Amino acid sequence: KNQVEQSPQSLIILEGKNCTLQCNYTVSPFSNLRWYKQDTGRGPVSLTIMTFSENTKSNGRYTATLDADTKQSSLHITASQLSDSASYICVVTNTGGFKTIFGAGTRLFVKA
Amino acid sequence: DAGVIQSPRHEVTEMGQEVTLRCKPISGHNSLFWYRQTMMRGLELLIYFNNNVPIDDSGMPEDRFSAKMPNASFSTLKIQPSEPRDSAVYFCASTASSGAYNEQFFGPGTRLTVL
Repeated sequence: KNQVEQSPQSLIILEGKNCTLQCNYTVSPFSNLRWYKQDTGRGPVSLTIMTFSENTKSNGRYTATLDADTKQSSLHITASQLSDSASYICVVTNTGGFKTIFGAGTRLFVKA
Repeated sequence: DAGVIQSPRHEVTEMGQEVTLRCKPISGHNSLFWYRQTMMRGLELLIYFNNNVPIDDSGMPEDRFSAKMPNASFSTLKIQPSEPRDSAVYFCASTASSGAYNEQFFGPGTRLTVL
């Protein structure tokens, strides 16, 4: 069964600290993995997208990693800011059938 | 670029009423997606169109849900009759190609409450 599981469910950190969010998936055959940021009351916005051959991709203070062998991905946020408070959603798409599976998201709270 | 436009932004209706949600994709994009988001189930893909043709509607929960895309710049998602369990935020997204690698751009969503 195609699944995407994210952890932790929620996270509270102090401004300026780093954090890492996890995503495990069983989607097969794998096409690509995306991380989205969703601010409260808004639609998701793409942060990174990685294909099978890519191990890491950065977007400013956001760095995503992918291990296609273990089917794990992480999103690392460096020097967090208050504006990083949002939900972060891991999304995996398979090939052929264009099936897109969404994780439940990690709710990040950055405190001053 | 105005981005993906959805209307209305909020909709409150009573059970049994018909609800129509509207979406205008980004100009030039040829794929359009309808999603539903709830606290319990997260984001779910309902249906997607490529070049105005429905490609996969396996996510549409029931026959009460229907979607149309009469032209490249407009799509509707209709619920008839609506039920309280349909309460959710409905997102529309568009992309420049049907390829799985292409980034989807989401609209602001329509928050639907069915009483």
